[in-house]
Amino acid sequence: KAGVTQTPRYLIKTRGQQVTLSCSPISGHRSVSWYQQTPGQGLQFLFEYFSETQRNKGNFPGRFSGRQFSNSRSEMNVSTLELGDSALYLCASSATSGGEYNEQFFGPGTRLTVL
Amino acid sequence: ILNVEQSPQSLHVQEGDSTNFTCSFPSSNFYALHWYRWETAKSPEALFVMTLNGDEKKKGRISATLNTKEGYSYLYIKGSQPEDSATYLCAPVEWTGGFKTIFGAGTRLFVKA
Repeated sequence: KAGVTQTPRYLIKTRGQQVTLSCSPISGHRSVSWYQQTPGQGLQFLFEYFSETQRNKGNFPGRFSGRQFSNSRSEMNVSTLELGDSALYLCASSATSGGEYNEQFFGPGTRLTVL
Repeated sequence: ILNVEQSPQSLHVQEGDSTNFTCSFPSSNFYALHWYRWETAKSPEALFVMTLNGDEKKKGRISATLNTKEGYSYLYIKGSQPEDSATYLCAPVEWTGGFKTIFGAGTRLFVKA
């Protein structure tokens, strides 16, 4: 089974621009979560999606948004980029649905640099 | 779950030593807890996921326990090897209509040959 894939792997943008990151979960996984890691900070929870619905959101401004498609692929969008948005963005997928809770598997991440 | 604390922050051990790390978390809204191993330039690697109070999981030389009533989990590594050098992350999950995973800052383990 292919793992979680994220594109692009690296991205350089300037302040004020917007960016879209993509995450393809493991086949059959319907839950996708996004995380941000900045230097000196741990992994911060951004969102969790399940069956095209955002079920939970972390403490991030409205500039951070996302969506999930019917094939469970997910995108994350950051508008009006700020220098502080420079980070590693990780997504993780899980087979958890209504029954037993399952592990989350992480993608390789997208390294975003805002200049 | 607002505050996840992991201790120690870092640990230097000799090859062959056994080590243990602590993760403490508020127990309200608790649903599950992950342990991950994270090496630089790689994705976090899932070690264990536990859901029930008293759960114990083992994978090779690594094991973990969970106490949801008092809000802590321990990770043990027996006979540390240099390849065990990594950051070990604890991540409790809460359910509030959706899952929210809160990561601790991690314990950085250095194993010297």
